[in-house]
Amino acid sequence: DGGITQSPKYLFRKEGQNVTLSCEQNLNHDAMYWYRQDPGQGLRLIYYSQIVNDFQKGDIAEGYSVSREKKESFPLTVTSAQKNPTAFYLCASSIAGYSYNEQFFGPGTRLTVL
Amino acid sequence: DAKTTQPPSMDCAEGRAANLPCNHSTISGNEYVYWYRQIHSQGPQYIIHGLKNNETNEMASLIITEDRKSSTLILPHATLRDTAVYYCIVRGRNAGNMLTFGGGTRLMVKP
Repeated sequence: DGGITQSPKYLFRKEGQNVTLSCEQNLNHDAMYWYRQDPGQGLRLIYYSQIVNDFQKGDIAEGYSVSREKKESFPLTVTSAQKNPTAFYLCASSIAGYSYNEQFFGPGTRLTVL
Repeated sequence: DAKTTQPPSMDCAEGRAANLPCNHSTISGNEYVYWYRQIHSQGPQYIIHGLKNNETNEMASLIITEDRKSSTLILPHATLRDTAVYYCIVRGRNAGNMLTFGGGTRLMVKP
């Protein structure tokens, strides 16, 4: 089946530790995105990538880092510099280009920092 | 991007039509209206989008007013599985792929 996978579904870390969230897609999409969602809120864009080896900051990039070495993968690292990392993290992908294309979302990773 | 305004919550009886409104009074001529929904603890799911004509697909219908300042998403026969948060997003067709999600409308379908 084609789709987006995120792992793990639940993740616990101690304060001050970096943690990397996985996102993989087999839809042959060029563009990938990371969003953060806090309880009762909408989604906020962290980073996005339109093509391999290129990515741009979204609205709330501080305290996060990404890489895009492969088309299929777009891992997100939550660093110790992120002041409030506990949240629901969603990865998405779409066909790239300047025209809007439907975004397909993964199931999300719920990160809790203790 | 034009800002959207949605009621925070709505109830609907199972089997009845659910009509979810969205105001986008500052929409410009080249901006589309998109609808996504998010079932609890899952990723959002695309539903439908339109420019000025009414649109229908297997999931829903989208009615856009003639002045384009508001729209309504219609789920013709709501089921319990339609309980979710519904997001109305206005985005220019050539403005890139980024989506801005507001608070949305929490639809509760009741038996």
